[in-house]
Amino acid sequence: NAGVTQTPKFRILKIGQSMTLQCTQDMNHNYMYWYRQDPGMGLKLIYYSVGAGITDKGEVPNGYNVSRSTTEDFPLRLELAAPSQTSVYFCASSYAEKLFFGSGTQLSVL
Amino acid sequence: EDKVVQSPLSLVVHEGDTVTLNCSYEVTNFRSLLWYKQEKKAPTFLFMLTSSGIEKKSGRLSSILDKKELFSILNITATQTGDSAVYLCAVTPPGTASKLTFGTGTRLQVTL
Repeated sequence: NAGVTQTPKFRILKIGQSMTLQCTQDMNHNYMYWYRQDPGMGLKLIYYSVGAGITDKGEVPNGYNVSRSTTEDFPLRLELAAPSQTSVYFCASSYAEKLFFGSGTQLSVL
Repeated sequence: EDKVVQSPLSLVVHEGDTVTLNCSYEVTNFRSLLWYKQEKKAPTFLFMLTSSGIEKKSGRLSSILDKKELFSILNITATQTGDSAVYLCAVTPPGTASKLTFGTGTRLQVTL
């Protein structure tokens, strides 16, 4: 059972570089989310999507962009990486209010 | 702004002890409260609570919600080293999307 798959698992970026974190789910869930988790902190919502073609900002959207062209995929784009974006990123999908998380991407911006 | 506060921040117990983790929230209106366990990677779902006073139970873990006093507790009896993890509490606002607001978590360490 694949569930929610995130790639890459680890990445180091230089300031100003850009990258895309990939997320795909095979559970046919309409709702998908991107969270970030800083050390010792809870998860903060970056963006979410209620279905293909529909996205909306969460609590901390600045510096990120998303797209949702299919039900399965919900990539997160960092355009100009900054040290403040060093964090662990989790993608999730939901069904009946329960979130199912991917294994996370540990990103360092140096 | 919705706020979820968990206590204690961290806890060290001996195997076999019983622990109670607390979650209080300042949320004007919410649909459900959820508990997650986070070991090394992604959080995994434990419980979802929507009604006040009804205990949810799964093995040695149980949880209850008090909507009047705005808190929930997670109990773990006869703790084992495998219970060592960060336990996260989150609330879901009204609406269809599960835009959870998470607390900072309680880090539980169970020692032999």
